[in-house]
Amino acid sequence: QSVLTQPPSASGTPGQRVTISCSGGGSDIGTNYVNWYQQLPGTAPKLLIYKNNYRPSGVPDRFSGSKSGTSASLAISGLQSVDEGDYYCAAWGNNVNGPVFGGGTKLTVL
Amino acid sequence: EVQLAESGGGLVEPGGSLRLSCAASGFRFSDYSMNWVRQGPGKGLQWIASVSTSSADKYYADSVKGRFTISRDNAQNALHLQMDTLRVEDTGLYYCVREDDPGDFDHWGQGTLVTVSS
Repeated sequence: QSVLTQPPSASGTPGQRVTISCSGGGSDIGTNYVNWYQQLPGTAPKLLIYKNNYRPSGVPDRFSGSKSGTSASLAISGLQSVDEGDYYCAAWGNNVNGPVFGGGTKLTVL
Repeated sequence: EVQLAESGGGLVEPGGSLRLSCAASGFRFSDYSMNWVRQGPGKGLQWIASVSTSSADKYYADSVKGRFTISRDNAQNALHLQMDTLRVEDTGLYYCVREDDPGDFDHWGQGTLVTVSS
């Protein structure tokens, strides 16, 4: 059982905009930044968004993040087939002295 | 280029022990906190343990506290995870992860597979 709640799946067609939600509580998202990680099939996770809405160097601006209260969301615009994979949200957990993750959302490009 | 290379995974019986290692290169290892994150078969990510730059601070997930020990050797650019009293539920892919700002896991290794089974 993951601390943060994400929908198990999401889908869209090429060129579409999709959003993935992430819900937490006052001891994680409510008081800390949210990060997003992308895990493409057969590869290690990669930092996609940090501190709610910043992109590491090399991440396309098609990816954006936002946070409000105890929830956050990842938006992907101009969806491409290479975006297929799993997406995880994470936030610092005040009660665990480490990050807590969502259960992951499997993105399918139809 | 930042590189993190895990090793030491394998098959072990319940109650057994295993020691994972991570060789770091391409950055000043002693400047960064380091972590272990695991992923069970077909499952999501779970943070396991962290160690500060000087090893002064170490934190563990409740599920491994008292059984796992994280350590680092800044002279050798190496991170370790000693896993004792292993359980079937410890099975998974173990990633070595560099932490930039607190909670920002900016570089991941490719993982080493641990299988706990009789």
